Amino acid sequence: KQEVTQIPAALSVPEGENLVLNCSFTDSAIYNLQWFRQDPGKGLTSLLLIQSSQREQTSGRLNASLDKSSGRSTLYIAASQPGDSATYLCAVRVTGNQFYFGTGTSLTVIP
Amino acid sequence: ETGVTQTPRHLVMGMTNKKSLKCEQHLGHNAMYWYKQSAKKPLELMFVYNFKEQTENNSVPSRFSPECPNSSHLFLHLHTLQPEDSALYLCASSQDQGKYFGAGTRLSVL
Repeated sequence: KQEVTQIPAALSVPEGENLVLNCSFTDSAIYNLQWFRQDPGKGLTSLLLIQSSQREQTSGRLNASLDKSSGRSTLYIAASQPGDSATYLCAVRVTGNQFYFGTGTSLTVIP
Repeated sequence: ETGVTQTPRHLVMGMTNKKSLKCEQHLGHNAMYWYKQSAKKPLELMFVYNFKEQTENNSVPSRFSPECPNSSHLFLHLHTLQPEDSALYLCASSQDQGKYFGAGTRLSVL
């Protein structure tokens, strides 16, 4: 069974810093990997989707990479802002409609 | 706006009440999902519907009853819930690509 792990569970950084969030998965046979953002008490907002054939995706200050062979993905956030404070989750899609979620990294950006 | 709309956003109900959560997606997706998210716990998949057919029921108690009348609408009927069922209930849809979530219904069972 696929297991998805996110480290660290919580991260606190001063505003302006660049930071990296990590996601690892145990089975490299994935269709795609998706990063989400969740604000407290709210739904999940999709940030980036990386297909299994891709190495990275970029959107604004966000860059996500995928290394299927090692079972790892990173989400790089450049020049962090207080508005980036949220929980970030990664999810891998395996067969059909099966998705496995990590437990998330809670990010706090201090002004 | 993700294209997935959930109503109501907040719901308070007693243990003897019957209520329903509604989810509607405008993305043309063929799969819809119900998730439960409790405080400090990972997302728990409850039900999956694919082309209106239920394809997964993750050992969910019968007090939760899903209904999918068409590929755009998904309901979660609730009856005789317990206080531990209080949580954020999230609906999602997907097609070939990624998954898209609604804003959730915050449910409190008194």
